[in-house]
Amino acid sequence: DTEVTQTPKHLVMGMTNKKSLKCEQHMGHRAMYWYKQKAKKPPELMFVYSYEKLSINESVPSRFSPECPNSSLLNLHLHALQPEDSALYLCASSRGRSGEQYFGPGTRLTVT
Amino acid sequence: AQSVTQPDIHITVSEGASLELRCNYSYGATPYLFWYVQSPGQGLQLLLKYFSGDTLVQGIKGFEAEFKRSQSSFNLRKPSVHWSDAAEYFCAVGGDMRFGAGTRLTVKP
Repeated sequence: DTEVTQTPKHLVMGMTNKKSLKCEQHMGHRAMYWYKQKAKKPPELMFVYSYEKLSINESVPSRFSPECPNSSLLNLHLHALQPEDSALYLCASSRGRSGEQYFGPGTRLTVT
Repeated sequence: AQSVTQPDIHITVSEGASLELRCNYSYGATPYLFWYVQSPGQGLQLLLKYFSGDTLVQGIKGFEAEFKRSQSSFNLRKPSVHWSDAAEYFCAVGGDMRFGAGTRLTVKP
């Protein structure tokens, strides 16, 4: 099983809302990632968790707050977003930090 | 620093024709290299990877890639393209997965 699941598939939120994106994997992977992808662009790394600890934060604004409750789950809490934050948010996992990553289908986020 | 260049933004090939997508990397040591494919609005699917060993790597869906250290390249090939191969292709390097800009493949009937 190489599946990474993400919910919801689509999310529309206002700039004053608080919402969360969820990601789950059951492959026993110990590294999990959040990426942001704008249209016609490659994914941009946002956060890396390794063994449930945040190891990389690529200078992401504080309105994005990641959380790793356990080794299978990864959340991205959203608050006071801007319209330019509208994008496809991808979650990925890997066995270790240097291995291949397996991606979820993404959450399409629209900020109005 | 790790970086990846995909020189071709868009490539069009006829169905049944061969395909080669270019990827050049910059890395201090032997890199970990990957090719991913992404259909519109979807996540990324791993096609193949290179860590070490045999420089010709076989992947899924009939794709292969060749690692050439002397040219700092990791080009993706397929001998006969199918219409379902139309998608965005990303080359990536390193443990933190630095992606190239991507190459959009269009397949003509």
